[in-house]
Amino acid sequence: QSVLTQPPSVSGTPGQRVTISCSGSRSNLGIKYIDWYQRLPGTAPKLLIYKNNQRPSGVPDRFSGSKSGTSASLAISGLRSDDEAEYFCAAWDDSLSGQVFGTGTKVTVL
Amino acid sequence: QLQLQESGPGLVWASETLSLTCTVSGVSLTDRPYYWAWIRQPPGKGLEWIGNMFYSESPYYNPSLISRVAISADTSRNQFSLSLSSVTAADTAVYYCARTSGEMGTVRDAFDLWGHGTSVTVSS
Repeated sequence: QSVLTQPPSVSGTPGQRVTISCSGSRSNLGIKYIDWYQRLPGTAPKLLIYKNNQRPSGVPDRFSGSKSGTSASLAISGLRSDDEAEYFCAAWDDSLSGQVFGTGTKVTVL
Repeated sequence: QLQLQESGPGLVWASETLSLTCTVSGVSLTDRPYYWAWIRQPPGKGLEWIGNMFYSESPYYNPSLISRVAISADTSRNQFSLSLSSVTAADTAVYYCARTSGEMGTVRDAFDLWGHGTSVTVSS
């Protein structure tokens, strides 16, 4: 069902920098902005990054986003234990005329 | 206080219709430029967009659900609803209502406000 592909899991130690990739196609990432969401265990998703690299107010600058062509990535620097969560990328898909989400990546802090 | 709250039955029988309501507080359903959405997450799977609506426009639906889904608004109660017919076990999920950010003022905006989600199980 998911049109955007993410690695199932990523792990790192406290203080480390980790990146999560998101791969799409021309009809979504190729021509549209990407957004990133964080879902902490037992909570609703939270908007982390929008329009490729913009942070909503209150989101620390440890989180950054980038996009190139049909791929994008989310970087978390200075990894903390409370960053343990599931992360989803999302974009509008012109072919489907709808939002598509990534498969999700679970971040584990070792 | 800006808030979305989902409500509805936690158990639906297979082949029946799933009906959920999202009550919006702190902002009017008719305020531009926000769109209102339903999104779900089946157990062990990723997020799936169901559809977006603005109260005075035709809704946008996920093509895989379009034959079974309807999203509508009750502006007098500041609520919007989801109806999903002929449900099967594959429709078992946590269902979220959400609002777009209005950043671009289009249906393609990111979702900046989410409800807590409501778990729905389809049983046969």
